[in-house]
Amino acid sequence: GAGVSQSPSNKVTEKGKDVELRCDPISGHTALYWYRQSLGQGLEFLIYFQGNSAPDKSGLPSDRFSAERTGGSVSTLTIQRTQQEDSAVYLCASSSTGNSNQPQHFGDGTRLSIL
Amino acid sequence: GDSVTQMEGPVTLSEEAFLTINCTYTATGYPSLFWYVQYPGEGLQLLLKATKADDKGSNKGFEATYRKETTSFHLEKGSVQVSDSAVYFCALTYSSASKIIFGSGTRLSIRP
Repeated sequence: GAGVSQSPSNKVTEKGKDVELRCDPISGHTALYWYRQSLGQGLEFLIYFQGNSAPDKSGLPSDRFSAERTGGSVSTLTIQRTQQEDSAVYLCASSSTGNSNQPQHFGDGTRLSIL
Repeated sequence: GDSVTQMEGPVTLSEEAFLTINCTYTATGYPSLFWYVQYPGEGLQLLLKATKADDKGSNKGFEATYRKETTSFHLEKGSVQVSDSAVYFCALTYSSASKIIFGSGTRLSIRP
């Protein structure tokens, strides 16, 4: 597709379960980012992938969060043993390079609700 | 560390009013500055950007000027429309690692 695609668009799960969120970046974009938008909070950086370099994981809030990017394209964000405070909209973005002058294009997000 | 502070909302204006949403930043170097907009039910999208001091970004009637001396990037529009109702985020990227640091967002509502 033409834009960043995320799935599922909505996810409701019970506390303690694991969840996987998927992101398909724009074709050819080498940089991929995950952010979290919590109710009443701003947008919070989670993790950044650029090409074959080691990812910048500095924003991951705990070791229950992990992400991978296979083949330099699709990325999966995994949250293990979910907690209620994990409820948020998870946004994925991609850009053509990791250069700060290149805009990041965002997907519509996955709304995660932990019961 | 680097941070972005923006005007708290919500902001409610009448159609055709003048809009200013204040944004200031703290950065250790020379970031690029952005305004992103999130319309109801839609994803986040880039509204405008400025990459160096004194640059003016503009789009859809909105403008913002990168002011290094005041570390500000205020968003302005001369005559707002109902369709401008959205949440606006001021943001910066700093260094080649390029994660975006966002402000907390300002919800704007325009009355007909």
